[in-house]
Amino acid sequence: GENVEQHPSTLSVQEGDSAVIKCTYSDSASNYFPWYKQELGKRPQLIIDIRSNVGEKKDQRIAVTLNKTAKHFSLHITETQPEDSAVYFCAASTDVKAAGNKLTFGGGTRVLVKP
Amino acid sequence: GAVVSQHPSWVICKSGTSVKIECRSLDFQATTMFWYRQFPKKSLMLMATSNEGSKATYEQGVEKDKFLINHASLTLSTLTVTSAHPEDSSFYICSAVAGGVRPKNIQYFGAGTRLSVL
Repeated sequence: GENVEQHPSTLSVQEGDSAVIKCTYSDSASNYFPWYKQELGKRPQLIIDIRSNVGEKKDQRIAVTLNKTAKHFSLHITETQPEDSAVYFCAASTDVKAAGNKLTFGGGTRVLVKP
Repeated sequence: GAVVSQHPSWVICKSGTSVKIECRSLDFQATTMFWYRQFPKKSLMLMATSNEGSKATYEQGVEKDKFLINHASLTLSTLTVTSAHPEDSSFYICSAVAGGVRPKNIQYFGAGTRLSVL
């Protein structure tokens, strides 16, 4: 089955700096890679996702890059703000029907943005 | 759109009792729902995949007789923790995949249920 590794497990940045979180996956059939943000005691919220037919996607201060050959993808947050403090999870999935849309999550990265 | 409601948000029960958790998709039909367990400061661990009208598919190591899942309609899945014990205390989260014109694969999460077994 799929295995997703996420690094770092914790990340502390100064407000205004950039934050980068990296994930690797093992199943070359995976073709959908979402990122979720989870604030303390709250539900995971989808913040950005990327499919394997593109290499990069950007939404305001958030961007995701995907390298299918190397089987890794990254989340980039620029101009970080205190409200970006949360736990971020990467995940991988495949469109293959037999896989049932299952998401395999990385271990999470606790991001702290210091004012 | 794509709102998932989970109830209750917090439940305390005595050891040996059963607890039912509901997961509802409020504004879309969900042929597939997922149940996760999340330990403090840990990732989401998939417990089972719930498909409307059929038996749930459990992940390895998850006891199907312990965690009963029913997906009786396109908008409701329930997880029943039977004969709960303190080690079952955890945060349980459901998610739903929307069908139709919404992009596939996207999972929308409920707010979670914190279960404390005394």
